[in-house]
Amino acid sequence: EVQLVETGGGLVQPGKSLKLTCATSGFTFSNAWMDWVRQSPEKQLEWVAQIKDKSNNYATYYAESVKGRFTISRDDSKSSVYLQMNSLKEEDTAIYYCTGGGDYWGQGVMVTVSS
Amino acid sequence: DIQMTQSPASLSASLGETVTIECRASEDIYNGLAWYQQKPGKSPQLLIYNANSLHTGVPSRFSGSGSGTQYSLKINSLQSEDVASYFCQQYYDYPYTFGAGTKLELK
Repeated sequence: EVQLVETGGGLVQPGKSLKLTCATSGFTFSNAWMDWVRQSPEKQLEWVAQIKDKSNNYATYYAESVKGRFTISRDDSKSSVYLQMNSLKEEDTAIYYCTGGGDYWGQGVMVTVSS
Repeated sequence: DIQMTQSPASLSASLGETVTIECRASEDIYNGLAWYQQKPGKSPQLLIYNANSLHTGVPSRFSGSGSGTQYSLKINSLQSEDVASYFCQQYYDYPYTFGAGTKLELK
């Protein structure tokens, strides 16, 4: 059974940092391109970042809205993908999902940025 | 960035009816399009990829079509479990972008 479990969310003040973890099982993680997608309180979906697999040199891509502030990374030995979020803004408030190429999705984790 | 314009924003239909949702891209996305279904409180689930390929386990009443900049999702013989929000997403070019969604309700 495929599982993706996101952790690390919570309430954080503007300007602070947070790191999300997505632990996976049930599929060949090392071959998967992994993404983070977020959903705003208004229910709009926004693609955030992607990291490709080793054969693609772990290339990374970001939405303009998070470029320079967020960093996606992965650890194939732990079948996990991460999202380091720095300099958080109130508009980063959302449910964050990790997804394996759109095929598999986690249940999501809430991130609230507020003073 | 490629803009995805999805319509309608909401839709009310009867059981057994056929429903169509449209997505228009701001430029040619060469069939790099997926459709997702999201039920309240749940994560999105893949229905269609490459514009017209049915994801494993998805009922055959769902189908996707289109090319270039115009794409559509059709649901034949609407069932009660199809009540959900539907989103299109282009993955032809970075940054990947989503449509604003269509909320489907029963009449």
